[in-house]
Amino acid sequence: GQQVMQIPQYQHVQEGEDFTTYCNSSTTLSNIQWYKQRPGGHPVFLIQLVKSGEVKKQKRLTFQFGEAKKNSSLHITATQTTDVGTYFCAGSVDTGRRALTFGSGTRLQVQP
Amino acid sequence: IAGITQAPTSQILAAGRRMTLRCTQDMRHNAMYWYRQDLGLGLRLIHYSNTAGTTGKGEVPDGYSVSRANTDDFPLTLASAVPSQTSVYFCASSPTQGPTDTQYFGPGTRLTVL
Repeated sequence: GQQVMQIPQYQHVQEGEDFTTYCNSSTTLSNIQWYKQRPGGHPVFLIQLVKSGEVKKQKRLTFQFGEAKKNSSLHITATQTTDVGTYFCAGSVDTGRRALTFGSGTRLQVQP
Repeated sequence: IAGITQAPTSQILAAGRRMTLRCTQDMRHNAMYWYRQDLGLGLRLIHYSNTAGTTGKGEVPDGYSVSRANTDDFPLTLASAVPSQTSVYFCASSPTQGPTDTQYFGPGTRLTVL
């Protein structure tokens, strides 16, 4: 079945440092979504990428979708303590069921 | 109500007991989902429903059942709880079952099976 893997599992950075999480799929994806879950909270949608090679930005966050549509990344520039949480990617393939498969997540800790 | 609500917030349950986790949404979304979240394993889909009256199995359906009698409610039942079902359970919904739809998550239910 489809697998979506994320690395690293955990990252601890000093405030102001950059952070990147990577998402890799065993199959070609039709689209990829990114979610953020604050500690003790629930996942909240951040963004969706659909096109091969697509790059989208949200303030200090940059999202990329690979040319082969098998990988994606989220890069945060100059992290802040408000960035703390777990970041999940979720992808789907063009199958009848079309359910999203979530990655295992990357937990980000930011030291002030 | 605004969005998705789940009940209870948390529960401690003896093994072998039956338990129903409730989920209600007021967004008139067609599709609803149940996930479990375990450390290091991310969110795994248990069951889903593309529209009222239909349900389907996800990645980890064993030991769980669901029903979708109407658009708003999507309860998850553990017929006979086991300790491996200790987890945080999230209900989610999306306007349709399309893969490009955003999923909206409820606050979660923390379940401990002893």
